[in-house]
Amino acid sequence: LAKTTQPISMDSYEGQEVNITCSHNNIATNDYITWYQQFPSQGPRFIIQGYKTKVTNEVASLFIPADRKSSTLSLPRVSLSDTAVYYCLVGASKDSSYKLIFGSGTRLLVRP
Amino acid sequence: GAVVSQHPSWVICKSGTSVKIECRSLDFQATTMFWYRQFPKQSLMLMATSNEGSKATYEQGVEKDKFLINHASLTLSTLTVTSAHPEDSSFYICSALTGTYGYTFGSGTRLTVV
Repeated sequence: LAKTTQPISMDSYEGQEVNITCSHNNIATNDYITWYQQFPSQGPRFIIQGYKTKVTNEVASLFIPADRKSSTLSLPRVSLSDTAVYYCLVGASKDSSYKLIFGSGTRLLVRP
Repeated sequence: GAVVSQHPSWVICKSGTSVKIECRSLDFQATTMFWYRQFPKQSLMLMATSNEGSKATYEQGVEKDKFLINHASLTLSTLTVTSAHPEDSSFYICSALTGTYGYTFGSGTRLTVV
């Protein structure tokens, strides 16, 4: 299972763009990169998933360079409600034998 | 789609008693479910993998006799914390592989043992 490394915490202000980078040097060929968001006392919530290049949905973008050894979650124009912990995970997420192993995550604080 | 319902959301029990936590897949069948625990300010720690119709697979260091997992149907997995002690107080979260949407998580159960 690929190990991931993220910054422990980040601070931002409302309206700014936030980029959280995750390193996964040992990512395997069939691994996807998935980001989850977790609020206190709640289960993690899926944000975005990608394999290569760029993926965008209604809440975020995910940038993955050609070597796939890192990825960057981009949150445009954050609001106070985006204060949460963000987890980057890698693995063959559609494989029933794959276990999601969480790293430390990045604690994002959005200030007014 | 792909909702996982976890119940109860919180529970308080006395030391020595057992507590059962349920995890249901509402609109899909979950052959595989996962159970995590999370202490304050820490990340999720995988406890075990629950497979429908077979024994659960526990992660190293997790006591299988203390944390009983039953996955008797394709929509229900249960975690029973037996003879609970204050150190078992934690946030327990289940997850299921949906097949289409990847992994979906329950809302978690806050267990407090007094």
